[in-house]
Amino acid sequence: NAGVTQTPKFQVLKTGQSMTLQCAQDMNHNSMYWYRQDPGMGLRLIYYSASEGTTDKGEVPNGYNVSRLNKREFSLRLESAAPSQTSVYFCASSGYRGSYEQYFGPGTRLTVT
Amino acid sequence: SQQGEEDPQALSIQEGENATMNCSYKTSINNLQWYRQNSGRGLVHLILIRSNEREKHSGRLRVTLDTSKKSSSLLITASRAADTASYFCATDSNFGNEKLTFGTGTRLTIIP
Repeated sequence: NAGVTQTPKFQVLKTGQSMTLQCAQDMNHNSMYWYRQDPGMGLRLIYYSASEGTTDKGEVPNGYNVSRLNKREFSLRLESAAPSQTSVYFCASSGYRGSYEQYFGPGTRLTVT
Repeated sequence: SQQGEEDPQALSIQEGENATMNCSYKTSINNLQWYRQNSGRGLVHLILIRSNEREKHSGRLRVTLDTSKKSSSLLITASRAADTASYFCATDSNFGNEKLTFGTGTRLTIIP
């Protein structure tokens, strides 16, 4: 099992450009998450999906959109990138009732110039 | 806003010593979890403790939870160089048990 995979690993964008970060999990998990990690800030939840077809805003959703394409895939889109979106983005999934352990992907390092 | 705050922010100890890091949180929780992050990698789940538990062990890890003080501690015994990483506590939020709020982390360095 690959667990949680993310693409790309690195990306450099210019202000105003758009891009989509891809995430897939092969653990048959219901819930998937997108976080961003900035120095000294820990992880902050951007969006969350409890199941296929549902999404919910987290702590910092402005400037982002998400799509839960199916049970496996959850993508994060930046429509018009801004320097403030320079960060490391992590996708995670969880799926066991009574145990809310989250499994993380390796991250995408995004720089917006 | 951050639910959990770790203390200290950074910790350096000699290999073989024990490492203790603390987490404080603000609101009532159902579960508290600890995660490890090696440099440049995703987070890895270490242990989960429920609000009705006071202590839990997993290998060299010992976690305590004091809900009256809204605090938790993670003890790593007999530290190894491979334990060098950042450690985060995470609490379930008011939005529901499956959403976690992470603290800012403790950077642990084990000196060989």
